[in-house]
Amino acid sequence: EVHLVDSGGGLVQPGGSLRLSCAASGFMFSGYSMIWVRQAPGKGLEWVSYISSDSNTIVYADSVKGRFTISRDNAKNSLFLQMNSLRDEDSAVYYCARETAYAFDQWGQGSLVIVS
Amino acid sequence: QSALTQPPSASGSPGQSVTISCTGTSSDVGGYNYVSWYQQHPGKAPKLMIYEVTKRPSGVPDRFSGSKSGNTASLTVSGLQAEDEADYYCSSYAGNKWVFGGGTNLTVL
Repeated sequence: EVHLVDSGGGLVQPGGSLRLSCAASGFMFSGYSMIWVRQAPGKGLEWVSYISSDSNTIVYADSVKGRFTISRDNAKNSLFLQMNSLRDEDSAVYYCARETAYAFDQWGQGSLVIVS
Repeated sequence: QSALTQPPSASGSPGQSVTISCTGTSSDVGGYNYVSWYQQHPGKAPKLMIYEVTKRPSGVPDRFSGSKSGNTASLTVSGLQAEDEADYYCSSYAGNKWVFGGGTNLTVL
């Protein structure tokens, strides 16, 4: 069974940093592109970043470009999101998800980030 | 403001059909056949319901169907059931990025 487990969220002051992790199991992680999506409290979904299976292609939403860094370790079946220079508006639940056919077919349970 | 426009709410009685629209532009919905739909119950992660405009992942009931015309995609839920009450989000690939709609809260009356 496919499992994605998000971790690393917490309370951080504006301007601070946080590193999110996503542990994958139940599928060949190295064969899939992955993404991060966030959802502010009571708000809709926002795509944050994409990384290809081999890390050769990385894309960011304009709202996080230059502050967030996506990466992965295929040997450890893990996805990461390094978040620097955090702002109030970055407060959200952050989900990792698996990308297939330009859709997101498996999701983690989410990790809450509060910037305050 | 979300990139794709969805009605904030929709409703229907059990057994009825309801359609949720998702309007974008020629740079996203109209330009690619990569529209997907997600169901989200309160406090839960989103679940993929439709991908590539019309395709259903394994396990998704055939009561859920998708379509697209020009820059507008639609999700139809037929034979409404109580468990269909949730938020629904559309998404589209937009050339090196993805965009989401603002979400539609579906109420089963």
